[in-house]
Amino acid sequence: KAGVTQTPRYLIKTRGQQVTLSCSPISGHRSVSWYQQTPGQGLQFLFEYFSETQRNKGNFPGRFSGRQFSNSRSEMNVSTLELGDSALYLCASSLELNSPLHFGNGTRLTVT
Amino acid sequence: GENVEQHPSTLSVQEGDSAVIKCTYSDSASNYFPWYKQELGKGPQLIIDIRSNVGEKKDQRIAVTLNKTAKHFSLHITETQPEDSAVYFCAASIEGNTPLVFGKGTRLSVIA
Repeated sequence: KAGVTQTPRYLIKTRGQQVTLSCSPISGHRSVSWYQQTPGQGLQFLFEYFSETQRNKGNFPGRFSGRQFSNSRSEMNVSTLELGDSALYLCASSLELNSPLHFGNGTRLTVT
Repeated sequence: GENVEQHPSTLSVQEGDSAVIKCTYSDSASNYFPWYKQELGKGPQLIIDIRSNVGEKKDQRIAVTLNKTAKHFSLHITETQPEDSAVYFCAASIEGNTPLVFGKGTRLSVIA
């Protein structure tokens, strides 16, 4: 069974631009979560989706948004990029809400 | 909200020795405690988890212990091998309810 797939693997953007990251969960998994990973802050929770509904949202500004589609695939969007948004963005999926999280290899976003 | 402290931040051991990583959590309602291993260029991989109704769980060379009273849990790796070298993260949540909160990670180096 294929794992969590995140595209693209690498992105370079300029301050002020916006970006969309994509995540395909493991087949059959209905829950998708997003995390931001930086050397200073570690892994920080962004959002969690289940059956196209956002269940939880982390403490990030409104420039960070996401959504989940009917096939469980998910996207996250960051508008008006700032230098501090440079990070590894990780998507994770789980079968159900109370199932273990399985992570993808992430999208490395660099903002210049 | 939940806060997870992890230590040490770095750990070097000789091949064949044991390694222990410790975490404490703040929310007594947390009942799910997974451990993840992250290798360079990859996302975190779940290696073992424990729920609050169990005090200890073992899987081959890996074991996790949980002390609910003291609110701490530990990862034990025995007979370490060079391929165990990676960054290890502990996490805590109220399963099915709150998102995983991660510790800041421990970089384990196994010296051959």
